[in-house]
Amino acid sequence: QQPVQSPQAVILREGEDAVINCSSSKALYSVHWYRQKHGEAPVFLMILLKGGEQKGHEKISASFNEKKQQSSLYLTASQLSYSGTYFCGTRGSQGNLIFGKGTKLSVKP
Amino acid sequence: ETGVTQSPTHLIKTRGQQVTLRCSSQSGHNTVSWYQQALGQGPQFIFQYYREEENGRGNFPPRFSGLQFPNYSSELNVNALELDDSALYLCASSLLGRPYGYTFGSGTRLTVV
Repeated sequence: QQPVQSPQAVILREGEDAVINCSSSKALYSVHWYRQKHGEAPVFLMILLKGGEQKGHEKISASFNEKKQQSSLYLTASQLSYSGTYFCGTRGSQGNLIFGKGTKLSVKP
Repeated sequence: ETGVTQSPTHLIKTRGQQVTLRCSSQSGHNTVSWYQQALGQGPQFIFQYYREEENGRGNFPPRFSGLQFPNYSSELNVNALELDDSALYLCASSLLGRPYGYTFGSGTRLTVV
């Protein structure tokens, strides 16, 4: 079951904040977050584990709400380098990652 | 620490032909997954290999097949190419059972004409 991401796209000015949500209809045990820039490979940002702590580094952090079967990615004081498409991934029944359709983030000067 | 490398980077094939894409896993990783990414979409799971055996498959027909070698490198083979097979094919390596992220290669852009 593919996770649902929202919003589909967001445009920010440098320094503004953004939140990207990822929700699943199935119980979540872990959520991965990746960023993909145009023409490049997806890059791993962080993993959230059931019962684990909120993860983050620098100005990008994420939370995991097991009851709501939802994860949120927080981008604080966005920089131009944050532009790209953000994907969340959840575990499928075969141990594979199932990705959402992505959220395209554009940060303008 | 080596990353994941894929070859070739771009490929143009004719409908009905066969293609082989290659992937070298990151050092220390024992699992390789292949994904198909259409333009503007998230990566779609094709299959996964662990210890040279396929141990997971997405909703792709049998003409998509693969191999994993003892050095954990991998191949994706697609027979009887169709126009809809045009996409970016991504290889990702990981450690099975460990809560770590995937390391993706830069992908092979396949165009079927």
